[in-house]
Amino acid sequence: VLTQSPGTLSLSPGERATLSCRASQSVDSRYLAWYQQKPGQAPRLLIYGTSSRATGIPDRFSGSGSGTDFTLTISGLEPEDFAVYYCQQYGSSPFTFGPGTKVDIK
Amino acid sequence: QVQLLQSGAEVKKPGASVKVSCKPSGYLIINYYIHWVRQAPGQGLEWMGIISPSSGSTTYAEKFQGRVTMTWDSSTSTVYMELTSLRSDDTAVYYCARAPRGGYWAYWGQGALVTVSS
Repeated sequence: VLTQSPGTLSLSPGERATLSCRASQSVDSRYLAWYQQKPGQAPRLLIYGTSSRATGIPDRFSGSGSGTDFTLTISGLEPEDFAVYYCQQYGSSPFTFGPGTKVDIK
Repeated sequence: QVQLLQSGAEVKKPGASVKVSCKPSGYLIINYYIHWVRQAPGQGLEWMGIISPSSGSTTYAEKFQGRVTMTWDSSTSTVYMELTSLRSDDTAVYYCARAPRGGYWAYWGQGALVTVSS
């Protein structure tokens, strides 16, 4: 089971966002991903393998962590970054997602 | 370019079945698995199962065992997800996503809204 905190993060453009994903048991860091989802759109892969950015993802997005604790950091929020973010483990079935963190404009 | 094109929105009555399609293009289909994920209105992402187009083998989430069937039609190069005995809480957007074995999910379909209502 993956849990994410906080549930909602209210920040202003330019601020730093720190999102947490905690697993109930250890996750192989090769198989931890982060997605961004905006209303009416499919999820978009941001980070895979804990810290590798997907193609076309700006370097203000970074991922870190190991074991049961993982973090997605957005170094300076742009207007287009206000969205919901999900972590996911994709190493083995069942391929679980966290409940999501909503980043909204303060 | 890689695309996963899904079928359109459906409205079904409770107890009915729905079959959602996902047609991949732009890559060698047998080299990747297809996952199905759903998202109820205002809720998070829920994994339903996975199919290997190369072998037809499937693994389903325990929650959907007995109600879901995922298939690959090689004649049309299309993956299907059928969900039976629909209930109102099956109302959701259903997504397909591509992944290599043990790999990340970089490509997703556009989603198909299934509404279950009497």
